[in-house]
Amino acid sequence: KQEVTQIPAALSVPEGENLVLNCSFTDSAIYNLQWFRQDPGKGLTSLLLIQSSQREQTSGRLNASLDKSSGRSTLYIAASQPGDSATYLCAVRTSGTYKYIFGTGTRLKVLA
Amino acid sequence: GAGVSQTPSNKVTEKGKYVELRCDPISGHTALYWYRQSLGQGPEFLIYFQGTGAADDSGLPNDRFFAVRPEGSVSTLKIQRTERGDSAVYLCASSLSPTSEQYFGPGTRLTVT
Repeated sequence: KQEVTQIPAALSVPEGENLVLNCSFTDSAIYNLQWFRQDPGKGLTSLLLIQSSQREQTSGRLNASLDKSSGRSTLYIAASQPGDSATYLCAVRTSGTYKYIFGTGTRLKVLA
Repeated sequence: GAGVSQTPSNKVTEKGKYVELRCDPISGHTALYWYRQSLGQGPEFLIYFQGTGAADDSGLPNDRFFAVRPEGSVSTLKIQRTERGDSAVYLCASSLSPTSEQYFGPGTRLTVT
């Protein structure tokens, strides 16, 4: 059974800092992995989707990497801004299934 | 439409009542997902539709929950005999295909009193 863990659960950093959010999964036979942000009381916004054949994806100040063999993905945020404050969630789709399993998220606060 | 929409945004109902939650996916998206999110948790998968058919309903917690997508676009999640434990935010997502990015709606907050 696929389990997804995100560490840390919460993170507070000063503006301008580069930071890394971690996502671990127990079953390395994945189809793809998607990172989302969620603002309080809102739905999820897609950030990056990494297919199992890819090692990383980049969008602006965001870079997500995938290491299937070790069951890990990292989301790197460069030059953090107060507007980046949100909860970041990763979701994994295991091969042979359609369901996505989510982690519990990392609550990020970027201080001005 | 421009994005996934869900109605109502909030629903308060009494224990034992029946509720329907609606999801309008992005036009042309064949894949549609329902999730449930409790406070402080990540979304929990409920059901996946490919077109009109439920390809995976393994996340539905029990037979009080049912979902339909009769014409392959709008979907309705139906909950019978609601219980207080059903209180959560119900999220809908759609994607162009099963392999592509999911786009989420704003959710329906269900409160069972």
